Amino acid sequence: SAVISQKPSRDICQRGTSLTIQCQVDSQVTMMFWYRQQPGQSLTLIATANQGSEATYESGFVIDKFPISRPNLTFSTLTVSNMSPEDSSIYLCSVVTGTTGELFFGEGSRLTVL
Amino acid sequence: AQSVTQPDIHITVSEGASLELRCNYSYGATPYLFWYVQSPGQGLQLLLKYFSGDTLVQGIKGFEAEFKRSQSSFNLRKPSVHWSDAAEYFCAVGALAANFGNEKLTFGTGTRLTIIP
Repeated sequence: SAVISQKPSRDICQRGTSLTIQCQVDSQVTMMFWYRQQPGQSLTLIATANQGSEATYESGFVIDKFPISRPNLTFSTLTVSNMSPEDSSIYLCSVVTGTTGELFFGEGSRLTVL
Repeated sequence: AQSVTQPDIHITVSEGASLELRCNYSYGATPYLFWYVQSPGQGLQLLLKYFSGDTLVQGIKGFEAEFKRSQSSFNLRKPSVHWSDAAEYFCAVGALAANFGNEKLTFGTGTRLTIIP
């Protein structure tokens, strides 16, 4: 299993600003995933973050808007840049550990953009 | 491309009654299938998963799901629901990756479960 801590748990931000979300895992993992859950919607994968390489972004998401860092095997950050109200969402960090393929999630970071 | 359909947006069930949440998937190879639960203000918790073998899988909290390849379905069931089961339930499908840790999950839109006394 994995215990994932995300900071901040929630924040209210002004339009045009940027916010960085941190994700800390209690064990070393190869890949970390960032998902977005817009209000009343399902989860959408933003990008996959490997340690030591550039993140891989899904269609519709770009590095300039969602830069990701992965400095080591237990930590990652996602920045939401130049925010607009449409970025109001829950952002979730997740990892796969062991050999069972189970995806573990943090509790999410709820962003409200005014 | 893989996809997941959860046709029921919202289901209301009486406490003690049985429950079935529907999930249909589209995937060109052998799928990994998952059910997650999200309680209000919480992250996602895995209820159960299917990789291979017995098509009826047991999960936590008394839930089970049955994989039916012919129907491309993976419906979640519980014989008797409790008030604490009120939550959002997500079905997900992932690639059968040769290298574990490389899965990308596609989630359904979720089914919100309300329990009435």
